[in-house]
Amino acid sequence: KQEVTQIPAALSVPEGENLVLNCSFTDSAIYNLQWFRQDPGKGLTSLLLIQSSQREQTSGRLNASLDKSSGRSTLYIAASQPGDSATYLCAADNYGQNFVFGPGTRLSVLP
Amino acid sequence: GAVVSQHPSRVICKSGTSVKIECRSLDFQATTMFWYRQFPKQSLMLMATSNEGSKATYEQGVEKDKFLINHASLTLSTLTVTSAHPEDSSFYICSAKVTGEVYGYTFGSGTRLTVV
Repeated sequence: KQEVTQIPAALSVPEGENLVLNCSFTDSAIYNLQWFRQDPGKGLTSLLLIQSSQREQTSGRLNASLDKSSGRSTLYIAASQPGDSATYLCAADNYGQNFVFGPGTRLSVLP
Repeated sequence: GAVVSQHPSRVICKSGTSVKIECRSLDFQATTMFWYRQFPKQSLMLMATSNEGSKATYEQGVEKDKFLINHASLTLSTLTVTSAHPEDSSFYICSAKVTGEVYGYTFGSGTRLTVV
């Protein structure tokens, strides 16, 4: 059974700092891994999707990497801004059979 | 593209009543939709997977008679919480699998259900 964990559970940083969010999964047989952002009381916004054949994806200040062999993915946020404050979720897609979410990292970027 | 519209965004109902939540794919056909539940400060937990024209598949521990899922068309899936109780208060969110694109999954904006 796929299990997804995220470290840290919460993170508070000053504006402008670069930061890394970590995601681990137990079953490496994934189809893709997706990172989402969730604002309080809101739905999910997809940030980056990494297919199993890829090692990383970039969008603006965000960069996500995937290492299937070690069961890890990282989300790198450069030059953080207060608007980046949200909960960040990673999720593993087990070949469309199910989509397992991690517990999330609550990020606060202080002005 | 690949937008899922979920309604209502918030609903308050009395204990014992039923509530229906709708999820529509606006610009694509969703043969498979997923329903998740999220309790405060917890992650999303998959409740069930629905395929158009067939019965939904429920995750272990989810009561299929309480959470009725209908996926009668390629653009609409509904979740009905029957005989709601305060412990059913949660954030419900639907998702659709987007095939033929790199996008993966797209999510609705969620429904905050409060049972009083």
